[in-house]
Amino acid sequence: GQQLNQSPQSMFIQEGEDVSMNCTSSSIFNTWLWYKQDPGEGPVLLIALYKAGELTSNGRLTAQFGITRKDSFLNISASIPSDVGIYFCAGLGARGNEKLTFGTGTRLTIIP
Amino acid sequence: NAGVMQNPRHLVRRRGQEARLRCSPMKGHSHVYWYRQLPEEGLKFMVYLQKENIIDESGMPKERFSAEFPKEGPSILRIQQVVRGDSAAYFCASSPPRPAQIETQYFGPGTRLLVL
Repeated sequence: GQQLNQSPQSMFIQEGEDVSMNCTSSSIFNTWLWYKQDPGEGPVLLIALYKAGELTSNGRLTAQFGITRKDSFLNISASIPSDVGIYFCAGLGARGNEKLTFGTGTRLTIIP
Repeated sequence: NAGVMQNPRHLVRRRGQEARLRCSPMKGHSHVYWYRQLPEEGLKFMVYLQKENIIDESGMPKERFSAEFPKEGPSILRIQQVVRGDSAAYFCASSPPRPAQIETQYFGPGTRLLVL
C-alpha cells in the first residue's frame, strides 16, 4: 500500500528557532496536506497543496509540494510554545473526496 | 456551526464486549470517514461512507468491524468481541457533498477505546 515517511520523527528546539520537516512517498499524490494534532484531539488542517511545485504560506507556516509529487516539506518560522504537537503530512489521490494517507508524524517539543 | 462530534470521548470495554462509536458530521456534510490511530503512529483509513452507502471499506478488518451511516442519525462504527489490539483512538472526519476543495475533511476529537 501507499506509505508516507516523515522526518525527523521528533524535534527538540528552543523557542524562536525555525523548524523544518519533510515527507516522502513511494507513490504520487495529487494533493498534499499538513495537519497538526494536539494531545487528546483530532488533526487540524494547517496547509493544503494542490499543484506540483506549489509553495504556500499560512502565517509562520510555509509548505511546498514537490515537483515529483512524491514529497513535501513544512517550515515553521520563529517557533512559539503553542507550536508544540505532532505534525502529520497526508496525501490525497486523484479522485477527491476519498481516503487520506497519513505520514508517520513529527513530534515537536519546544524548550523554553 | 458545530464541528464534527464524536462520542463517547473515552470508552473502556472488556475483551469480548461490543464497542459502539458514534460520529455526527458537520451540518450539511454527507460524507463520513473513519480512521484509526495507534499510539505513536499516524492515522490509518478504515472506511468511507455516504448517507446509507459504504463507498470504500478497504481499510476495515474483515471480521468484527462494521460501519453504517443511516439516513437519519449519526454514523456508527461497531466493533464486536473486542480484543486488546483494538485499543486505539478512532477518529471520524466529514466533508460536504460537493466540496469546493477536495481537502475539506474536518476531523472530530476522537474516541479513545481501551480494551481491558
